[in-house]
This record gives sequence, C-alpha cells and structure tokens, in this order.
Amino acid sequence: GENVEQHPSTLSVQEGDSAVIKCTYSDSASNYFPWYKQELGKRPQLIIDIRSNVGEKKDQRIAVTLNKTAKHFSLHITETQPEDSAVYFCAASREDMRFGAGTRLTVKP
Amino acid sequence: DAGVIQSPRHEVTEMGQEVTLRCKPISGHNSLFWYRQTMMRGLELLIYFNNNVPIDDSGMPEDRFSAKMPNASFSTLKIQPSEPRDSAVYFCASNRDSTYEQYFGPGTRLTVT
Repeated sequence: GENVEQHPSTLSVQEGDSAVIKCTYSDSASNYFPWYKQELGKRPQLIIDIRSNVGEKKDQRIAVTLNKTAKHFSLHITETQPEDSAVYFCAASREDMRFGAGTRLTVKP
Repeated sequence: DAGVIQSPRHEVTEMGQEVTLRCKPISGHNSLFWYRQTMMRGLELLIYFNNNVPIDDSGMPEDRFSAKMPNASFSTLKIQPSEPRDSAVYFCASNRDSTYEQYFGPGTRLTVT
C-alpha cells in the first residue's frame, strides 16, 4: 500500500519567514495530494490540494509543488503569522488516503 | 449541510466495556473513513467504505475492533472489549470519491481507564 513520509516533524520559524514541509510517497498511481492543517483540539481541515496533472498550485501565502517523477511534494508558506502555528499533514490518495506523520509548525512572534 | 457528524464527542469507559462510536457522513458522499489519532502513532486509517461496502480494513488493529455501514448515512466503529491502549481521538471522514477532499468530523475522544 501507499507509504507517505513527511519531514520535518517539528519546525520553528520567526514571524514573516517562510516555512517548507516536504513529503514523499511510494505509490506511483497516487493522483491526489492534499494538505491538512490541524489546530490544537480541532479536526484536520484542508488548506490546499494538488492533482497529479499539475506541478504547482498557489493560494495567497500557501503553495504546493509536486514532482511526480521523484514522487515528492512540498508545502510552502510565505510571510508566516502566529496563527499559522498548527500541525500540518500531507496525504497521498489513489483509492484511500494515507497521511504523513505530521509537522508541528510554530511561528514565533 | 451540517458536515460530518460524530457521536459521542467524549467517551470515558472502563477497561473491558464495549464502546460504540457513531458517524453520519455528508449526504451524497460515497466514501467513509475511520481514523485513530494518537501522539505516538499520528493519524492512522483504520477502515474505509465505498458505497457502504468495506474496501480496506487492514488498519483495524485487532479483532476487538469492528466497523459497519448499514446504509449510506450511518456507520459505527465498535471496540469490544476496550483496553486502555485504545484511548485516542477517533475521526470519521467522508468524501465524494478518492480525488476529492475528505471532510472530517469533530472526532470522538475516547478514554479507557
């Protein structure tokens, strides 16, 4: 089955800096790659996603890139703010969805 | 739409007791997923259904766990007998199909003493 690895497990940045989280996946047939943000005590919520026919997608301060050949994808957050502090999960989906282990992002004011 | 609904939101039970978690997916969604989240193991997929049929239950930890989806609007996850190591947050999620966002319910926080 699909195996998703996510790095780093924790990330601390200064407000205004950029944050990058990277994921790799094993199943070359996976065709949907969402990113979820989970605040403390809350449910995971989608922040951005990308499908396999697209290499890059951007939504304001958030962007995702996908390299299907290398089977890796990344989340980029620019101009980070304290409210970006949360756990971020990547996932890869073909029929079911497998999640990475999560990255705890802390943005220091 | 009310989103994915889970009940109860919190459950505290003693070891050995049966626990039943409930989920109502978003209307029109064809797939339903049960996850378990712990600090140690992260977000684990336990089982998922497509059109009410269990497709992959390889994530179910052991025979004490069972899940059913008798119709398109209801699913249960049962643990019998429960053990302290089952303590976790259990999320239910649904989506239209595999290439669409999964919507998560609020989760059930289970504590087994």
